[in-house]
Formats: sequence, structure tokens, C-alpha cells
Amino acid sequence: NAGVTQTPKFRILKIGQSMTLQCAQDMNHNYMYWYRQDPGMGLKLIYYSVGAGITDKGEVPNGYNVSRSTTEDFPLRLELAAPSQTSVYFCASSATGEDSYEQYFGPGTRLTVT
Amino acid sequence: QKEVEQNSGPLSVPEGAIASLNCTYSDRVSQSFFWYRQYSGKSPELIMSIYSNGDKEDGRFTAQLNKASQYVSLLIRDSQPSDSATYLCAVNIAGSNYQLIWGAGTKLIIKP
Repeated sequence: NAGVTQTPKFRILKIGQSMTLQCAQDMNHNYMYWYRQDPGMGLKLIYYSVGAGITDKGEVPNGYNVSRSTTEDFPLRLELAAPSQTSVYFCASSATGEDSYEQYFGPGTRLTVT
Repeated sequence: QKEVEQNSGPLSVPEGAIASLNCTYSDRVSQSFFWYRQYSGKSPELIMSIYSNGDKEDGRFTAQLNKASQYVSLLIRDSQPSDSATYLCAVNIAGSNYQLIWGAGTKLIIKP
């Protein structure tokens, strides 16, 4: 089991460029999440999904977009990158049932926008 | 506004001592509470979950929950330098689709 995987590990974008952060999980989890973590701050939820074809906004969705065409994959799209999007991005997943609040994280993508 | 509060630290503890990390939360109906450990430059890793009032022990870790006081804590016994990390407290948002609200974390330093 690879768990939750994310690519790329690092990326530098110029202002106005776009990119997609990839996330995949092999645990057959229905729930998937995208967070951003700024230095010294807690995790902020960007978007989440409760299953293939179903996504919803979290606390800080502006400037981002997601899709969920399969159970395994949950890519995050950044359109028109801005310096405020410089952050570390984590993808996470959780199961349904009793342990469904227990979230498991990918290794993260460190993004710099200059 | 639902919140989870943690002292940012750093909390410095001698090796072999007990480290005590605290977390308070604002949502009275929250039912699920988690402690994650995050090493510098790494992703959060789940170390403890607790759902009922009282203590839950796992090896050197003990989570304590007091729902009446809206307080959850993590004790680390026989602290090791490898325990040096930031510890994040997370609490479920009642009525949400399995969302958590996160504290900003407490940085723990274990001094040899």
C-alpha cells in the first residue's frame, strides 16, 4: 500500500501561471481533502470530496478548483497563480464508518509563486 | 466560529520527562478528537484518537478528554529527542461531511 501520494514535491510558478497538483490514494477511501498550511499556521481546508463526482468548498476555496472522476484521484487546479498561494499543500483521505474522521496525509507539495 | 486553540510553544522538556500538550475547542457537540505529530518539512501523522471522556493509552502516549471542560490533552511519557516535533490537535465539526478543524500546533523540543 502506497497510501496517499502527491506530485510534484516542489514547484515554482510565476504569477499568472496555472498548474495541477496531483493526489492519489490506494486505500479505497471515499473521503478526500485538500489543505494548505502556511508557516506557523494550522491546516486550512481548500476543498473536499465525499466520493467520485461529488466535491464541495472548504474554508479557503478561492483561486482553486477540483474534480473527482475516480475514487482514487483528487487533483487540485490552481488557475492564475498569485503570491498568496505560496504554501505547502497536503492531500488527505479518510474511510467511511467508525474511523471516518481519521485522516491520512500525503507527503505534501511545496509551492512557491514569484 | 468554531475554533481549536493550542499554545504555540515551543515547549521544552528534558529527555525522560513527561511532556504535556493541551488543546481547547469551542464546539460543545464535537465527538471525535485527534492528535497528529508533524516533523519539520513532513506531513501530519495520526498518533492518537479519542472519542470518550477519560484517558486512552497507547505505548508512551496518553490522550485525555474532558468534554465538560472542552479540553483534550496529550501526555508523552519518557520523552525522547525523536519526539521533538509539532503536535496538532484536530476536532470534528459536528454535522459536517467528516471535516476536522485544526489547531495551529504546539512545537515540542526534547532536550537531551
